[in-house]
Amino acid sequence: DVKVTQSSRYLVKRTGEKVFLECVQDMDHENMFWYRQDPGLGLRLIYFSYDVKMKEKGDIPEGYSVSREKKERFSLILESASTNQTSMYLCASSPPRDRVSNQPQHFGDGTRLSIL
Amino acid sequence: AQKVTQAQTEISVVEKEDVTLDCVYETRDTTYYLFWYKQPPSGELVFLIRRNSFDEQNEISGRYSWNFQKSTSSFNFTITASQVVDSAVYFCALSTLSYSGAGSYQLTFGKGTKLSVIP
Repeated sequence: DVKVTQSSRYLVKRTGEKVFLECVQDMDHENMFWYRQDPGLGLRLIYFSYDVKMKEKGDIPEGYSVSREKKERFSLILESASTNQTSMYLCASSPPRDRVSNQPQHFGDGTRLSIL
Repeated sequence: AQKVTQAQTEISVVEKEDVTLDCVYETRDTTYYLFWYKQPPSGELVFLIRRNSFDEQNEISGRYSWNFQKSTSSFNFTITASQVVDSAVYFCALSTLSYSGAGSYQLTFGKGTKLSVIP
């Protein structure tokens, strides 16, 4: 089974802090993703990465950055945390698409981040 | 643009009732994939099913069944004889081969339907 592990289930930080959310997958997947989930808004893609050191912006990248130095690890960084970044953050990974198929994404348990 | 609509925000049923979760999608692509995920109270999203646009066969897996109809752009999910363990938020999602970065793809999620099964 695919295992996507997020470093924290719950995290409380203060406004202005630099926050790191870590995600590790054990299936040698090329693709990794960061989403945030808010009530009434569903899941929204922040950033994704399709290879080491490669990244692309999703729908809501403002206020975030990412780092992918190793294939198995994808970090989400809040450069200067603000209260509107209080949310549930979900990491996912998947193999690359091939010509005929999109593979499902596998998700971690999520990190509930509160910014005070 | 891609869009997924789950019109039912919350549904409550009594245990053993059947329930159908609706999903309507919009895309201009002729090749696309549809997914259903389950998010129990513990928080992780669990992959349930993937369907490509060329396969309109309905699928049944135990108490779960999916009805894909391209004519109405719908991919509905039915749980038969619901159980308390089915209580969760269910997400429908869409991806297309053209809506992708190099070597990757993106999912567009609906806003989810919260299902509560009452014992």
